Amino acid sequence: NAGVTQTPKFRVLKTGQSMTLLCAQDMNHEYMYWYRQDPGMGLRLIHYSVGEGTTAKGEVPDGYNVSRLKKQNFLLGLESAAPSQTSVYFCASNPDSSREPQHFGDGTRLSIL
Amino acid sequence: GNSVTQMEGPVTLSEEAFLTINCTYTATGYPSLFWYVQYPGEGLQLLLKATKADDKGSNKGFEATYRKETTSFHLEKGSVQVSDSAVYFCALIPYGRQAGTALIFGKGTTLSVSS
Repeated sequence: NAGVTQTPKFRVLKTGQSMTLLCAQDMNHEYMYWYRQDPGMGLRLIHYSVGEGTTAKGEVPDGYNVSRLKKQNFLLGLESAAPSQTSVYFCASNPDSSREPQHFGDGTRLSIL
Repeated sequence: GNSVTQMEGPVTLSEEAFLTINCTYTATGYPSLFWYVQYPGEGLQLLLKATKADDKGSNKGFEATYRKETTSFHLEKGSVQVSDSAVYFCALIPYGRQAGTALIFGKGTTLSVSS
C-alpha cells in the first residue's frame, strides 16, 4: 500500500535553479494539496487541486506553480528557487469529500543555497 | 477567520505520565477537528478526528473531545510511552466549505518522553 509517494526525498539547489517535485497517489483521490512546513509555522497550503486538470492557489502560492495533468499526480514547480523556499514540502490527498482526513506523503526536504 | 491555537512546546514527560496538549479553535459553525502526529523524519499521520460537538475521537490510547462551548479539542493520553515522542498537530476543516478545502493547522507541539 503505497498511499502518497513524494520524490525526491532530499534536494539541494542553488539560487535561481528550477526543479519539480512529484507527488503520486494510488488511492484514486480527487483532491490533492501541497504544503510547506517551516519551524514554528506549522503547515501552510501552497496550492491545491480538486480534480484532474484543476489547480487553485492556497495561502502561500508565490514562487510556485503546479499542474495536475493526471488524477494520480500533482506536480509542484519552482521556476527560480530562492533561499526563502528552503523548507520541507508535503503532499496530501483525500477522497471526494472535503471533510475526510487527508493522507500525507513523507515529505521532500529542500535546501536552497 | 479560521484558526487553530496549540500550547507551545516542547512538552517533556517521563514514561507513564499523563499527557494533555491543549488546542482551541476559531471557526464559524461546526468545523471538523483532527489531531495529526508526525514522527521524526516522517510525514503526518491522522491520529484521531471528531466531526460534531461532543464527539470523542480515540486511537492508540489517545483521546480528544469536541467541545463546542469552549471551542476546544484537547489531546489526552493516560500513560505515555517513549514511542509517543513526536510532533502533534491540531487541525480543522471549516464547516460548509467547498470541496477541496485544505486543513488549517496549529503550529504543532513537540512531545519528548524519556524512560
